[in-house]
Amino acid sequence: QVQLQEWGPGLVKPSETLSLTCAVSGHSIRSGHYWGWIRQPPGMGLEWIGSIHHSGTNHYNPSFKSRVTISIHTSKNQFSLKMNSVTAADTALYYCAFYGDFDAFDVWGQGTMVTVSS
Amino acid sequence: QSVLTQPPSPSGTPGQRVTISCSGSSSNIGSNSVNWYQQLPGTAPKLLIYNTNQRPSGVPDRFSGSKSGTSASLAISGLQSDDEADYYCAAWDDSLNGVVFGGGSKLTVL
Repeated sequence: QVQLQEWGPGLVKPSETLSLTCAVSGHSIRSGHYWGWIRQPPGMGLEWIGSIHHSGTNHYNPSFKSRVTISIHTSKNQFSLKMNSVTAADTALYYCAFYGDFDAFDVWGQGTMVTVSS
Repeated sequence: QSVLTQPPSPSGTPGQRVTISCSGSSSNIGSNSVNWYQQLPGTAPKLLIYNTNQRPSGVPDRFSGSKSGTSASLAISGLQSDDEADYYCAAWDDSLNGVVFGGGSKLTVL
């Protein structure tokens, strides 16, 4: 059974880089599926950030494309998100998720809150 | 402004059947399957419906999905107080080459 756990700094200063990691357990990240990041600003809806395949193929939300890098770390069974030049608008609950056989995000991490503030 | 449009705050009474709509375009719902997620207060979203009308194991058959043209719907029959949650539709968008979500519908059980 796939389980996901995100972690990273809970506070990031404006203009700096947000870095989060998602640890995958119960499933190999080399499985041939996609792994994604989704965020949810406080009191607001879900926003897809991007997804990556173990081969390195990735897809990004055009809204973030120039600021976001999603990487996969097969030796650690982890994948990560880096978002640069953050502003207060990037304050959100960030989820990592598994895009499985259903062609849907069928497993989600618990989410990690990131606040952008000086 | 979300790519997929949902009603913000539908409601119903216990036992009632409610539907939540999700309106998109030819590049997303019109040409791809739709997924629905349920987010209970304070928890991560959970996959409720995949491939437009399929339920993952463990999801009651009170929940059903459908699609017509560029719109999709989630129906909940025999509404229960536990169904109070936020519901999100999502689909792949061929133009954006990515996943798009609806703005979410906060369902209230009166």
